[in-house]
Amino acid sequence: RKEVEQDPGPFNVPEGATVAFNCTYSNSASQSFFWYRQDCRKEPKLLMSVYSSGNEDGRFTAQLNRASQYISLLIRDSKLSDSATYLCVVNNNQGGKLIFGQGTELSVKP
Amino acid sequence: GAVVSQHPSWVICKSGTSVKIECRSLDFQATTMFWYRQFPKQSLMLMATSNEGSKATYEQGVEKDKFLINHASLTLSTLTVTSAHPEDSSFYICSATDRASGYGYTFGSGTRLTVV
Repeated sequence: RKEVEQDPGPFNVPEGATVAFNCTYSNSASQSFFWYRQDCRKEPKLLMSVYSSGNEDGRFTAQLNRASQYISLLIRDSKLSDSATYLCVVNNNQGGKLIFGQGTELSVKP
Repeated sequence: GAVVSQHPSWVICKSGTSVKIECRSLDFQATTMFWYRQFPKQSLMLMATSNEGSKATYEQGVEKDKFLINHASLTLSTLTVTSAHPEDSSFYICSATDRASGYGYTFGSGTRLTVV
């Protein structure tokens, strides 16, 4: 089983749609959780950290359920510029390593 | 903000030759550097972790003699792909952090290696 697993995607949605990404992780000792965004042929960029209480940044909301080892990302009012691959990332605190999920591709259409 | 400069951004080399990729932290001390590889349509796979002044720790399945990592200073780490083969063609990305100061992870812009 992979340490971090995400929805396979791709997600093709119209502008203005709400889209949700799901992610599960296998190591219950994981400490830190993130969502990164990666554009084609570019490096990943931090979108937001994920906290147990849930957190929101504009149109983006992240949730963490430690009991279920589940992380989610909700994007409201999708924009064309949201088209990218979204990576669920976990820090197991084993030497500070980040473990990446396989990513979910999002394509927002006009 | 923290910046990591990675170069070259792309390189084409012949089979059997070696390629060196550099990552420099421009405005912070990179006490730890992570090297990742990403094949098309796949996620980033950690290859190795290097701490300044120490030998790198390689992930299972990564050949340390093929992927040489040097992290001799707090601002520079290099990855050398030795005797490259077409199957080494990939996107290589570094990520640096200064764990002592609690800095987050800063990624380089990646190097696209094509071995012909």
